[in-house]
Amino acid sequence: NAGVMQNPRHLVRRRGQEARLRCSPMKGHSHVYWYRQLPEEGLKFMVYLQKENIIDESGMPKERFSAEFPKEGPSILRIQQVVRGDSAAYFCASSPDPFAPGELFFGEGSRLTVL
Amino acid sequence: DAKTTQPTSMDCAEGRAANLPCNHSTISGNEYVYWYRQIHSQGPQYIIHGLKNNETNEMASLIITEDRKSSTLILPHATLRDTAVYYCIVRALDDDMRFGAGTRLTVKP
Repeated sequence: NAGVMQNPRHLVRRRGQEARLRCSPMKGHSHVYWYRQLPEEGLKFMVYLQKENIIDESGMPKERFSAEFPKEGPSILRIQQVVRGDSAAYFCASSPDPFAPGELFFGEGSRLTVL
Repeated sequence: DAKTTQPTSMDCAEGRAANLPCNHSTISGNEYVYWYRQIHSQGPQYIIHGLKNNETNEMASLIITEDRKSSTLILPHATLRDTAVYYCIVRALDDDMRFGAGTRLTVKP
């Protein structure tokens, strides 16, 4: 039973380019969460999605960032016109049912470096 | 507003029990206490969670005070591989999982 899969594991972009990070949740999980971790800092919640719906995007920057979780395929976190401050590790987590007191299952993260 | 307060860092001798405290004095009746850890730069790993009663699993024990205003995560026999940042999180079921700064535990030989 594969865990949460994130790719790419490492991504290098130049300022102004676009970054796309993908997350495939665990089998049977329809709830996905994205977190960002800046160097030497804790994880910051960004967005919570169900299939085809954004449930809570209160942690997402208002500009340049977007997320989707289509009916088919992985969840995608998209960062347009990247800047150096976007350099961070982006973690995805999934759960089968957010209203059960169970755990979140995390992927190993995607590390974005903006040159 | 931080819901939990944890020490910034702690040391523990290898083989001894590691006791990590967490204060959550404003916890609500419907909020659970969760513990996760992050080893180096890996993805966070779930450890344990509880509501009112003490809990134990193969990784750790969670002791929650009777008034639920604080808790302690116990790693009974710490190893070098337990060196990590440990996060205590208070969460209602309709809330997102929000991480604070955590406690950096260093297990020393």
